[in-house]
Amino acid sequence: NAGVTQTPKFQVLKTGQSMTLQCAQDMNHNSMYWYRQDPGMGLRLIYYSASEGTTDKGEVPNGYNVSRLNKREFSLRLESAAPSQTSVYFCASTLDRGSSSYGYTFGSGTRLAVV
Amino acid sequence: KQEVTQIPAALSVPEGENLVLNCSFTDSAIYNLQWFRQDPGKGLTSLLLIQSSQREQTSGRLNASLDKSSGRSTLYIAASQPGDSATYLCAVGSSNTGKLIFGQGTTLQVKP
Repeated sequence: NAGVTQTPKFQVLKTGQSMTLQCAQDMNHNSMYWYRQDPGMGLRLIYYSASEGTTDKGEVPNGYNVSRLNKREFSLRLESAAPSQTSVYFCASTLDRGSSSYGYTFGSGTRLAVV
Repeated sequence: KQEVTQIPAALSVPEGENLVLNCSFTDSAIYNLQWFRQDPGKGLTSLLLIQSSQREQTSGRLNASLDKSSGRSTLYIAASQPGDSATYLCAVGSSNTGKLIFGQGTTLQVKP
């Protein structure tokens, strides 16, 4: 059971380039999330998908787009990368958003540098 | 707005000590609270989940408590080991927003 799988693990982009971060979960979870983690800022929610077919903005959505491709997959796209998007990106999932019985499972992260 | 604070930000203890990490939150309307461990350069590993109706959860040498009314949770680590060195993150599930809100973490170093 792989849990939450993120690809790629590392990436270096030039300013203005685009890329898509991939996330897939095999736990039949309904809700999926993208966070970024920066020193001194903690983990901040970028976008989430409460269920297949829906997406919503989190705290820091500017410069990003998402796609909930199916129940398993939730991708994050940077259309025109900026140095301020240098960060570690984590994908997470949970069975049902707001359910007290279930916690979040996180992927291992994508370390992105924009130069 | 829900805010989560973890104190201390860093902690260094000798091996074998029992220790307590603190987490406080401003809004008691939560559906659960989760403690995570993060090793340098790695992802988040879930340690314990406390549902809003529960007071504590235990796993091995770890015990987490929850007091919703006072907005506090503690993570107790018994007989600490060098392998416990990591950053510990507290996160609360906000009932108002359905989102998980994180504290800044406590970085623990256990010295041999």
